[in-house]
Amino acid sequence: ETGVTQSPTHLIKTRGQQVTLRCSSQSGHNTVSWYQQALGQGPQFIFQYYREEENGRGNFPPRFSGLQFPNYSSELNVNALELDDSALYLCASSASTGDKNEKLFFGSGTQLSVL
Amino acid sequence: GNSVTQMEGPVTLSEEAFLTINCTYTATGYPSLFWYVQYPGEGLQLLLKATKADDKGSNKGFEATYRKETTSFHLEKGSVQVSDSAVYFCALRTKAAGNKLTFGGGTRVLVKP
Repeated sequence: ETGVTQSPTHLIKTRGQQVTLRCSSQSGHNTVSWYQQALGQGPQFIFQYYREEENGRGNFPPRFSGLQFPNYSSELNVNALELDDSALYLCASSASTGDKNEKLFFGSGTQLSVL
Repeated sequence: GNSVTQMEGPVTLSEEAFLTINCTYTATGYPSLFWYVQYPGEGLQLLLKATKADDKGSNKGFEATYRKETTSFHLEKGSVQVSDSAVYFCALRTKAAGNKLTFGGGTRVLVKP
């Protein structure tokens, strides 16, 4: 039990729709990062938020966007869904961004299927 | 940029067999190295880590040694159990890359009784 909760656990959408995924960080953590894990592959970094500001982004198009709220919970929004967006989306929280050894706590993920 | 390469699975073993999963990396800067495990239907759990050359990370009978000269971080366990069946990911982080995790493709391990 990591203390990081994601909702919903599963979601089915159709191409062109928009989706919002939610993440509640572990208590005391001010940093949230999001990863996309396609079937049979390793997770890919989407972006990271620190104290409500995006402070790092991977190789994902602008239709992937996010928010972090004052309570440090977070949302991942994906517009104009494509079939290739079908994946497990993982949220991870940590207490800071400045230390490469800081432990990340992962949620169980949201499984998104785009039909 | 940073990258991680690990052996492809699936790896199928009998209980009490020896497990090795190879992992090599390329990195800009001085990375910290990690092994994560993903059980069916679950998120990622940190299994072990090493933060500098020659460090050995260990947990639950698993070990991995940070080898800077060969840029490797191979995972080993001397006697696997059925409960070790999972997908294992090698990963690294560097401050130069903003401390994001870069993962390998994962290795599925199946342990049979």
